[in-house]
Amino acid sequence: NAGVMQNPRHLVRRRGQEARLRCSPMKGHSHVYWYRQLPEEGLKFMVYLQKENIIDESGMPKERFSAEFPKEGPSILRIQQVVRGDSAAYFCASSRYSGAGTEAFFGQGTRLTVV
Amino acid sequence: QQQVKQSPQSLIVQKGGISIINCAYENTAFDYFPWYQQFPGKGPALLIAIRPDVSEKKEGRFTISFNKSAKQFSLHIMDSQPGDSATYFCAASNVGNQGGKLIFGQGTELSVKP
Repeated sequence: NAGVMQNPRHLVRRRGQEARLRCSPMKGHSHVYWYRQLPEEGLKFMVYLQKENIIDESGMPKERFSAEFPKEGPSILRIQQVVRGDSAAYFCASSRYSGAGTEAFFGQGTRLTVV
Repeated sequence: QQQVKQSPQSLIVQKGGISIINCAYENTAFDYFPWYQQFPGKGPALLIAIRPDVSEKKEGRFTISFNKSAKQFSLHIMDSQPGDSATYFCAASNVGNQGGKLIFGQGTELSVKP
């Protein structure tokens, strides 16, 4: 049973380009969470999605960032017109349920560098 | 009110010693408190978790102590080993209302010296 798969592992983008980060949850998991980790900081919640629905996007920047989790295929975190401040590690986590004691499993992350 | 404060920021312990990392929270609606371990270049991995209806949970060398009235919880690593050297994050969530959304502490970089 493969874990949470994120790709690419490393992504370099020039300022103004678009970044697309992909996350395939564990088999049987329908809840996906995206987190951002800046250097020397903890993980910050960005967005929580279930299949075809955004449940909580309270941590998403108001502009340039969007996320989706289609019926088929991986979850996508999209960053338009990237700026240097977007450079960070982006982690995806998935869980089977959203109820009590739910364990979230994390992927290896995508390290985005904006040059 | 959504913050989780973690200390210390870094910790150096001799092999065989006890590592202690502390966290404090404000939101009394939190009802799930996991600890994650992260090695460089890897994603966080769940180490141990506790619910507020118990004051202590032990799994092998790892123990969580939970003080509901003080709104604090801590991770104790007994007989610390060099392989335990990693960054540790405490977290909290209100599982009933917000699913698995986790609020993380700032992290503690643990170094265990041989």
